[in-house]
Amino acid sequence: EADIYQTPRYLVIGTGKKITLECSQTMGHDKMYWYQQDPGMELHLIHYSYGVNSTEKGDLSSESTVSRIRTEHFPLTLESARPSHTSQYLCASRPRIDSPLHFGNGTRLTVT
Amino acid sequence: AQTVTQSQPEMSVQEAETVTLSCTYDTSESNYYLFWYKQPPSRQMILVIRQEAYKQQNATENRFSVNFQKAAKSFSLKISDSQLGDTAMYFCAPSGAGSYQLTFGKGTKLSVIP
Repeated sequence: EADIYQTPRYLVIGTGKKITLECSQTMGHDKMYWYQQDPGMELHLIHYSYGVNSTEKGDLSSESTVSRIRTEHFPLTLESARPSHTSQYLCASRPRIDSPLHFGNGTRLTVT
Repeated sequence: AQTVTQSQPEMSVQEAETVTLSCTYDTSESNYYLFWYKQPPSRQMILVIRQEAYKQQNATENRFSVNFQKAAKSFSLKISDSQLGDTAMYFCAPSGAGSYQLTFGKGTKLSVIP
């Protein structure tokens, strides 16, 4: 049973569109993360947050942006989608840095 | 910064047999934590097992256990009595005590054969 929710589950969108991937968690976790993962491949950290009003870029260069206005909500926005953005996006959270991550079900994005 | 190496891109094991997945890592942190995650096909990533680097005792969770060699920076996962439901991608991930980031290895695709 997921305590971290991602919507939409699947998204097909045309090039140049602005999109927002939603991520919400009900566990009160301070630390939240966005990873990008191509099918069957490794995870790349693109953004993370260690609390409200704090966001940092990860290791993978990304044209996306994030915000953290509320503890439970960590949306990811692409201002202008491109085919190179086609991938799976995983949201995760944890209460402390010694805790494991809790993952959402992911959003599978296809940009045509 | 941390680096993680999973040297076995794919492995297979017969049902009921034992398999070991390898992971080596490098970290500048003196205190850290190590995790193995499982990602079944088209399903959610879930935690398999957690190890604290300052503990010498190897972690065990039912059929899953680790062989943690701190000096060698090795953190292998042993799956005993393999079941069909163990078929998944497995990712090794160290997490430094002083870092918010958690780095994943490239993963090992495990197939359990009936």
